Amino acid sequence: GENVEQHPSTLSVQEGDSAVIKCTYSDSASNYFPWYKQELGKGSQLIIDIRSNVGEKKDQRIAVTLNKTAKHFSLHITETQPEDSAVYFCAAGERGGKLIFGQGTTLQVKP
Amino acid sequence: EPEVTQTPSHQVTQMGQEVILRCVPISNHLYFYWYRQILGQKVEFLVSFYNNEISEKSEIFDDQFSVERPDGSNFTLKIRSTKLEDSAMYFCASSVGGRGLVPYEQYFGPGTRLTVT
Repeated sequence: GENVEQHPSTLSVQEGDSAVIKCTYSDSASNYFPWYKQELGKGSQLIIDIRSNVGEKKDQRIAVTLNKTAKHFSLHITETQPEDSAVYFCAAGERGGKLIFGQGTTLQVKP
Repeated sequence: EPEVTQTPSHQVTQMGQEVILRCVPISNHLYFYWYRQILGQKVEFLVSFYNNEISEKSEIFDDQFSVERPDGSNFTLKIRSTKLEDSAMYFCASSVGGRGLVPYEQYFGPGTRLTVT
């Protein structure tokens, strides 16, 4: 069935370092890949997304890459700050349809 | 900035009781979704809703579940007879769409924690 695997489950970096979270998906029909940030007590915030017709997208310190052939996509955060500490979820789906989520990655940025 | 809101934030109910979880999607959004996350597990899709009908539902969304958009602002999830295994965090999401445009982005609410005892 449809599945998204996300790694690592936890990630600890020093402030200023980069963080990379990777996801793989199984459904070839997936054409939309969002990333969500969930902070304690808050809802999941959509931080960046990529559509299948694009290989890379960047928004300030955050970037996402997509390799459709290999069915994997990654989140890159550069110059990490303590406020980047949160749980990050990747997801894959079809436009307008359900999203299949990864397990989540707990990112800790140490000052 | 417009947000999806959900009430209550925490609901405790006894097994066999009916519960209604409420969501107010972003005002101009036309696509609505429910997901849930059992503690320690992945976020799972339950149902999507557009144009006053269910677009898609998962295997989890059996006859015990129903959704409704009773007015122009609310979107509800009803569980008729709760079971212990229904204990989870329930998330509502919405997408804009409209004019034949199928949306990409889904915006999530903060969730309702349902505890069935």
